[in-house]
Amino acid sequence: ETGVTQTPRHLVMGMTNKKSLKCEQHLGHNAMYWYKQSAKKPLELMFVYSLEERVENNSVPSRFSPECPNSSHLFLHLHTLQPEDSALYLCASSQRLNYYNEQFFGPGTRLTVL
Amino acid sequence: GIQVEQSPPDLILQEGANSTLRCNFSDSVNNLQWFHQNPWGQLINLFYIPSGTKQNGRLSATTVATERYSLLYISSSQTTDSGVYFCAVGGFMEYGNKLVFGAGTILRVKS
Repeated sequence: ETGVTQTPRHLVMGMTNKKSLKCEQHLGHNAMYWYKQSAKKPLELMFVYSLEERVENNSVPSRFSPECPNSSHLFLHLHTLQPEDSALYLCASSQRLNYYNEQFFGPGTRLTVL
Repeated sequence: GIQVEQSPPDLILQEGANSTLRCNFSDSVNNLQWFHQNPWGQLINLFYIPSGTKQNGRLSATTVATERYSLLYISSSQTTDSGVYFCAVGGFMEYGNKLVFGAGTILRVKS
């Protein structure tokens, strides 16, 4: 595997389900990010991790819970989501955590909440 | 925060035609990236270009940081160039660690 991978690629869940999104980067990077892309909206940053420590949470509802067990893996745990949470969730990584490092994205998980 | 505007919002080209996409931003930046989002949602890095000019095959990009804009040139377009092109910028630390994305340009190349 190369670059940034995400699983699953597609997910359909009910509002009472609990599911997790997984991201893995094979680039030796130290920073990882979760973005959300909703229809008709620009990409929005959700969470930022640097060396497994969360450094930014952009006012994301608590039904989204991130986890970064090591610098290569990032999870997004989902619980009691709403239909408006349906979106493409993208993971990214960069070599270090600073605003001028190039970010590389995974293929995304397309989430549908029924 | 930084505002990013992309133009045009939509573009339809005949195969073989050339095009220029524009990205304007409202403040000084230290990171500017161009991406191509394919129909499956994958964001593909095209250029990391906070300033200057770069070329990669049929694509090239120029960022004039002092005038706060960047241009992406696509020459001899192919149907596989279809998709959404995003410009994203990162500023100084007071704006946080985020890339701020523009709304994108939807490109359709017809054969």
